[in-house]
This record gives sequence, structure tokens and C-alpha cells, in this order.
Amino acid sequence: AQSVSQHNHHVILSEAASLELGCNYSYGGTVNLFWYVQYPGQHLQLLLKYFSGDPLVKGIKGFEAEFIKSKFSFNLRKPSVQWSDTAEYFCAVKLGQTGANNLFFGTGTRLTVIP
Amino acid sequence: DGGITQSPKYLFRKEGQNVTLSCEQNLNHDAMYWYRQDPGQGLRLIYYSQIVNDFQKGDIAEGYSVSREKKESFPLTVTSAQKNPTAFYLCASSISGLSGNTIYFGEGSWLTVV
Repeated sequence: AQSVSQHNHHVILSEAASLELGCNYSYGGTVNLFWYVQYPGQHLQLLLKYFSGDPLVKGIKGFEAEFIKSKFSFNLRKPSVQWSDTAEYFCAVKLGQTGANNLFFGTGTRLTVIP
Repeated sequence: DGGITQSPKYLFRKEGQNVTLSCEQNLNHDAMYWYRQDPGQGLRLIYYSQIVNDFQKGDIAEGYSVSREKKESFPLTVTSAQKNPTAFYLCASSISGLSGNTIYFGEGSWLTVV
């Protein structure tokens, strides 16, 4: 069965520290990859996505992610976090060749940024 | 403003009762979805609909039912058969069921069984 793994459940960083959140998936075919963010009390918002082309994608608020096909990974990065980045981050994978428009989500990583 | 509206935001239900969560979108999206979010388990798909009058079971459809009589509406009924209904429910939509389209989420509904 397809799965999405986010190994970091809770990450605590000081402001200005660099961030990398891991995301690995298990599916050998074509995939579309997403990172969603859920700020406290708010709904899920799309942070960035990869469909094809340049494997390094840039999203909102200075976030970026790199698709490494050989490692089945799509890690999220930000060079310098801010207190306002405190949120829960979800990696999601959509199987590109299926008829179903289903997103498989990871379990989420809670990021706490200390001022 | 365009978006996805879920109601109610908070709902309490007694055991043995059915409840219906509303989801309305004015984005003119063809596809709509219901997800359930539990701590430590991410989001899991309950049902999805790619077109009016058609819907498909997701990974955890047991104890739930849906209807899609109108393009903009996709209500979810949590029946008494759902063994662990207390959760956060998210409705979502996308332009179509084709590969490559982004899914947009509503603000969610908290259901608590008392």
C-alpha cells in the first residue's frame, strides 16, 4: 500500500535557525507532491507543490522543497525560520496515474519556533 | 470571496445519533472530498466525488454516507455505525479529478461524541 512518512513529529527551533522537514513516500510511479501548512486555528493551506520539471520548487513565505526521485523524498526547507512559521506541516502525495484524485497524507510535523 | 464553507464548526452528538456536516463551495470545482484528521494519523480520505450524482468510497468510508445532488454541495453524514466518530473533519475540493490539480480545504468541523 502507498504511504507517506514524516519522521519528525515535533520540531522545536529558535528564530533564524534553518529548517528541514523530511518526507518520504512509497510509490514507484508518477507522483505529484505537496506540502500543506496548518497554522493554529486556521485551515490547511497549500505551501508548495511539485508536478514536473525542476525538482527544486519554491513556495510561499520563503519555503522550498526538493524532489529527489531516487530517494522517494520531498523534503521541505527554509533557511531562516520565524516565529510566525509555528504550525503543523503535512506532506502529501498524489498518484499521478490513477483515476482517483486521492491525496495520501503524512502524519504531520509540528513546528514550534521560539522567539 | 470564493472558498469552501463547512458548518457547523463545532458539533456535539450523543451516541447512537446520526449527524450531518455541511460543505459548500463556490469555486466551481467539480471534485469534492471529505477527510478525517486524527492526532498522529494525518488525514485520511472518507469519500470523494468527481462529479454530481457520483461519489466513491475512500480509505475509511465505513459508518459514513454522502450525497452529491448539487455541484457546490457535498454533505457528510456520520452515522451511528461509525465506531469512533470524534474527530476533526475536513472538506476539500479541486477543479477536476485529473492529475495535477491542487486540492483546497475548508476550515474544518470538530465533531465530539458525548
